[in-house]
Parts: sequence; structure tokens; C-alpha cells
Amino acid sequence: GENVEQHPSTLSVQEGDSAVIKCTYSDSASNYFPWYKQELGKRPQLIIDIRSNVGEKKDQRIAVTLNKTAKHFSLHITETQPEDSAVYFCAARVTGTASKLTFGTGTRLQVTL
Amino acid sequence: GAGVSQSPSNKVTEKGKDVELRCDPISGHTALYWYRQSLGQGLEFLIYFQGNSAPDKSGLPSDRFSAERTGGSVSTLTIQRTQQEDSAVYLCASSPRQGEQPQHFGDGTRLSIL
Repeated sequence: GENVEQHPSTLSVQEGDSAVIKCTYSDSASNYFPWYKQELGKRPQLIIDIRSNVGEKKDQRIAVTLNKTAKHFSLHITETQPEDSAVYFCAARVTGTASKLTFGTGTRLQVTL
Repeated sequence: GAGVSQSPSNKVTEKGKDVELRCDPISGHTALYWYRQSLGQGLEFLIYFQGNSAPDKSGLPSDRFSAERTGGSVSTLTIQRTQQEDSAVYLCASSPRQGEQPQHFGDGTRLSIL
């Protein structure tokens, strides 16, 4: 089955700096890659997603890149703010697997003043 | 409703008891998913429903776990003879239909087995 690895497990940046979180996946048939943000005690919230026919997608300060050849995708947050502090999860879905998502183990991002 | 609703929000029970967790998906969403999140871990897939049928039960960890969905809406996840390792947050998500649709999560049920 699909396996998703996520790095780093923790990341501390100063306010205004950029943050990058990287994920790799194992199944070349994966075609959909969402990113979720989870604040402490809250539900995971979808922040951005990308499909395999696209190499990059941007939404304001958040961007995701996908390299299908290398089977990795990354989340980029620019001009970080304290409210960006949370745990971020990447996920992948394999075509034809009834839509279940395989998640990475999460990255705890801390934005310091 | 406005979002995915789960109940109870917290459940504490003794080892060996049975528990039922409820998920009410977003109105009109035909696809429903259950995931489990252990402390400090990622989300582990349990089961997926399309309408009332469950085409993928591959994530259920043992035969003590079962789930059903009626009327294409509310789903119940049942854990029989609970064990301490069942302690986790159980999250439900729904999407408009299967395929490349974003999944929207509920707040989860925090289950603690004493």
C-alpha cells in the first residue's frame, strides 16, 4: 500500500521567515495530495491541495509543489505569522483506492516572535 | 448541517466495555470516512462508506471494530470489548462523492480507555 513520509517532525521559524515541509510517497499511482493544518485540540483543516497533472499551486502565502518523477511534494509558507503555528499533515491518495487518504506523521510548526 | 458533527466529543470508559461513536456528515455528502489519530501521530484510515455500503474496510484494526451507515447519512463506529490501545481521537470526514474531492473533518471523539 501507499506509504507517506514527512519531514521535519518539528520546525521552528521566526516570524516573517519561510517554512518548508517535505513529503515523499511510495505509490506512483497516487494522484491527489492535500495538506491539512491542525491546531491543538481542533479538527484538521484543508489548506491546499494539488493534483498530479499540476506541478505547483499557490494560494496567497501558501504554495505546494509536486515532483512526480521523484515522488515528493512540499508545502511552502512565506512570511510566516504566529497564527501559522500548528501541526501540518500531508497526505496522498492512490487512484482507484476508494478515496482513502494516507497521511504523513505531521510537522509541528512553531512561529516565534 | 454546516459541518461534520461528531458525538460525543469525549468518552471515558472502562476496559472491556463497548462504545459507539457517531458521525453526522455534511448534508448531501455521499462519501464518509473514519480515521483514528493516536497521541502525537498522524491519521490512520479505518473505513470508507459510499452511500450505505463500505467498499473499503481495510483499516479496521480488529474484528472488535465495526461501522455502519444508514440512510446515506449518519454513521456509527462501534468498538466492542475496548482495550487501552483503543484510546485515541476518532475523526470522521465526508466529501461530496468519491474521487478527487476534498475531505472535510469533524472535531473528533476523544476516547479514553481506563
